[in-house]
Amino acid sequence: AQRVTQPEKLLSVFKGAPVELKCNYSYSGSPELFWYVQYSRQRLQLLLRHISRESIKGFTADLNKGETSFHLKKPFAQEEDSAMYYCALLSYFNKFYFGSGTKLNVKP
Amino acid sequence: DAGITQSPRHKVTETGTPVTLRCHQTENHRYMYWYRQDPGHGLRLIHYSYGVKDTDKGEVSDGYSVSRSKTEDFLLTLESATSSQTSVYFCAISGSASGKPGELFFGEGSRLTVL
Repeated sequence: AQRVTQPEKLLSVFKGAPVELKCNYSYSGSPELFWYVQYSRQRLQLLLRHISRESIKGFTADLNKGETSFHLKKPFAQEEDSAMYYCALLSYFNKFYFGSGTKLNVKP
Repeated sequence: DAGITQSPRHKVTETGTPVTLRCHQTENHRYMYWYRQDPGHGLRLIHYSYGVKDTDKGEVSDGYSVSRSKTEDFLLTLESATSSQTSVYFCAISGSASGKPGELFFGEGSRLTVL
């Protein structure tokens, strides 16, 4: 069965520090993985997807099939990065499954 | 933002009453989803639709039913609301009319409180 795990409920870092939000998945097929973000009082929105291999707002994520991970990284955190982050997996029958989310708090 | 709206945005109801949440889209997207968001659980898929009158269960479908009689509307019904269904409900849409699902576009959420 498919599963997405985000082990950290809360991650607090200081502005300018590197940040890594962890995501692990289990899936028997070829995974399509995404990161979604929810800023305060805003809708959930796509941050990035592994297929496009792009960097959005300085964030990157690499799919590691050997470790079944898709960790989100940013070298220098900014206060405006404070938000709720969800890792998501596109599974069979076009269903999206989400992790439990990590709240990132960037302190000044 | 994609053209997706949810109604009502807030609702307080009593245990045992029926509740219907509506998701309306103007994007002609094929796929529509209902999620619930709870602390510690993240987003959990309740039901989804892959076309008119085509629906399937998600992870937490017990106590919920859905209907999609036309492309633009996806209804979520709680036949007899319970306190455990107090949550924030999100609708999401994806995929062009003929394509695979890609990016999910979310509604603003509907906060339901069951007393």
